[in-house]
Amino acid sequence: KAGVTQTPRYLIKTRGQQVTLSCSPISGHRSVSWYQQTPGQGLQFLFEYFSETQRNKGNFPGRFSGRQFSNSRSEMNVSTLELGDSALYLCASSLARINRSAKNIQYFGAGTRLSVL
Amino acid sequence: AQSVTQPDIHITVSEGASLELRCNYSYGATPYLFWYVQSPGQGLQLLLKYFSGDTLVQGIKGFEAEFKRSQSSFNLRKPSVHWSDAAEYFCAVGHYGQNFVFGPGTRLSVLP
Repeated sequence: KAGVTQTPRYLIKTRGQQVTLSCSPISGHRSVSWYQQTPGQGLQFLFEYFSETQRNKGNFPGRFSGRQFSNSRSEMNVSTLELGDSALYLCASSLARINRSAKNIQYFGAGTRLSVL
Repeated sequence: AQSVTQPDIHITVSEGASLELRCNYSYGATPYLFWYVQSPGQGLQLLLKYFSGDTLVQGIKGFEAEFKRSQSSFNLRKPSVHWSDAAEYFCAVGHYGQNFVFGPGTRLSVLP
């Protein structure tokens, strides 16, 4: 069974631009969560999508948004990029909504490294 | 709000030595507890998890962790470290209805 796939692996953008990252979950998984990882702030939860609806949201500005398609694939968009948005963005998939079941486990992709110049 | 601390930012051990990575959490109820490992430039791989029951859990790659409710701890151990274990290790906490929270991570270096 294929794992979580994130594309692209690397991105270079300039301030003010926008970017879209893609995540394909493990087949059969319906929940997709996004995390931002930086050296200073560590791993921070961005949001979770389940059945095409955002279910949970972390403490990030509205420039960070996402969506989920009927096949559970998810995209994350960051508008008006800032230097501080440079990070590794990780996507995780799970069978059900995170923290709704004791048996729910998140599986992570390799991430997309975004550099904002 | 729930929080996770990993007191050791960086640990260096010799190959073949034993290892213990510390994790403490702050939460009113017993949360779900996880350990993940991240190799450079890679995503996170789940090592083991604790939901309930036996407080000593076994994971992949020879790792184990012990949940101690009285100490709010979930320390990761390995009896004999291999050079390939060099990576960053994250403890994570979840609970019903709450967002997932990761600790700051502990970077493990292994000396030959």
